[in-house]
Amino acid sequence: DTGVSQDPRHKITKRGQNVTFRCDPISEHNRLYWYRQTLGQGPEFLTYFQNEAQLEKSRLLSDRFSAERPKGSFSTLEIQRTEQGDSAMYLCASSRGSSGNTIYFGEGSWLTVV
Amino acid sequence: RKEVEQDPGPFNVPEGATVAFNCTYSNSASQSFFWYRQDCRKEPKLLMSVYSSGNEDGRFTAQLNRASQYISLLIRDSKLSDSATYLCVVNRGQTGANNLFFGTGTRLTVIP
Repeated sequence: DTGVSQDPRHKITKRGQNVTFRCDPISEHNRLYWYRQTLGQGPEFLTYFQNEAQLEKSRLLSDRFSAERPKGSFSTLEIQRTEQGDSAMYLCASSRGSSGNTIYFGEGSWLTVV
Repeated sequence: RKEVEQDPGPFNVPEGATVAFNCTYSNSASQSFFWYRQDCRKEPKLLMSVYSSGNEDGRFTAQLNRASQYISLLIRDSKLSDSATYLCVVNRGQTGANNLFFGTGTRLTVIP
């Protein structure tokens, strides 16, 4: 399968713990995106990488959130000191270079903070 | 005002029915438009792009009205497998990535 893959698919954590999600994009895609989706809402943009450079961050991405893409391939999204409001599906997506190209989503990582 | 607005539904239709979803967008500079399909607890998947001239893919027809900033999706001869949430997506087309805006989705249930 050469699609976008995410790990873990599901995570239940206690409030205050740190969690990390990993995303492996489609291999020839140089753009990588993180979105968050809560029930009844569409995906909301969090951040975006072009190769290894993090070019944009949403205001939704508080200082407890950090994303990296160290070698321009896989990416990690870490949430520190999780809060119940962080419970959501975290979607990774990738696309080829220019704006307007279709983005392809991974299956998402479900986070439940208890 | 939201960038993209959709009627959340739900739409419950019998098999074989024709159903139409509408979407409006607020930014007149938006350049590309898509419909994504999302099954329950799954990721969104591209259904079709929407072109100014309108386009059709089998039972699905998408139309764009730039003057009214309105996008539609028509599904003919609905199948049980069409049950899903349909997301309207608008791309402003500016450089960078914070230019993709998703509607909240319209939920469709096709009933036997």
